[in-house]
Amino acid sequence: KAGVTQTPRYLIKTRGQQVTLSCSPISGHRSVSWYQQTPGQGLQFLFEYFSETQRNKGNFPGRFSGRQFSNSRSEMNVSTLELGDSALYLCASSPRDRDNNEQFFGPGTRLTVL
Amino acid sequence: KNQVEQSPQSLIILEGKNCTLQCNYTVSPFSNLRWYKQDTGRGPVSLTIMTFSENTKSNGRYTATLDADTKQSSLHITASQLSDSASYICVVSAKGGSYIPTFGRGTSLIVHP
Repeated sequence: KAGVTQTPRYLIKTRGQQVTLSCSPISGHRSVSWYQQTPGQGLQFLFEYFSETQRNKGNFPGRFSGRQFSNSRSEMNVSTLELGDSALYLCASSPRDRDNNEQFFGPGTRLTVL
Repeated sequence: KNQVEQSPQSLIILEGKNCTLQCNYTVSPFSNLRWYKQDTGRGPVSLTIMTFSENTKSNGRYTATLDADTKQSSLHITASQLSDSASYICVVSAKGGSYIPTFGRGTSLIVHP
């Protein structure tokens, strides 16, 4: 089975712009979670989608949003980019939901905001 | 406030030696605790998942323990290899409607030949 894929792998944007990141989960997985990883804060949970519905959301401003499509692929969008949004954005998929199920992470998208 | 503290922050050991990483948490009510290994520039890889009723789980040379009473977990690595050099992250999830996992800052392990 192919693993979790994320596109693009690297992205450079300027302040004020918006960005859309894509995640394709492992085939058959219905849950997709998004995380932000920075050297200063470590890994932080952004949100989780299951069957096209957002189940949980972390403590991030409304500039961060996401969605999931009927084929379980997910996108996250960050509007009005700030320098502090520079980070590695990871998505992870699970067969059903995150409760006690193994999550499989993608390689991440490295976003740099100038 | 839910917190996960890992120690040590970094560790250097010689190849072939054993080591133990610690994770203390205050997450409540407890649902599960996970250990991940993250190589530089890559996504985390799951090593173990433990629920409240489990107090030990192994994955090859990795053995995780959980003491739900003291809210402590440890990850023991046996006969370390150069490929074990990575960041090890402890993640604790709570039960309930707001199911937000709490991450530790990780332990950076370097294995020297």
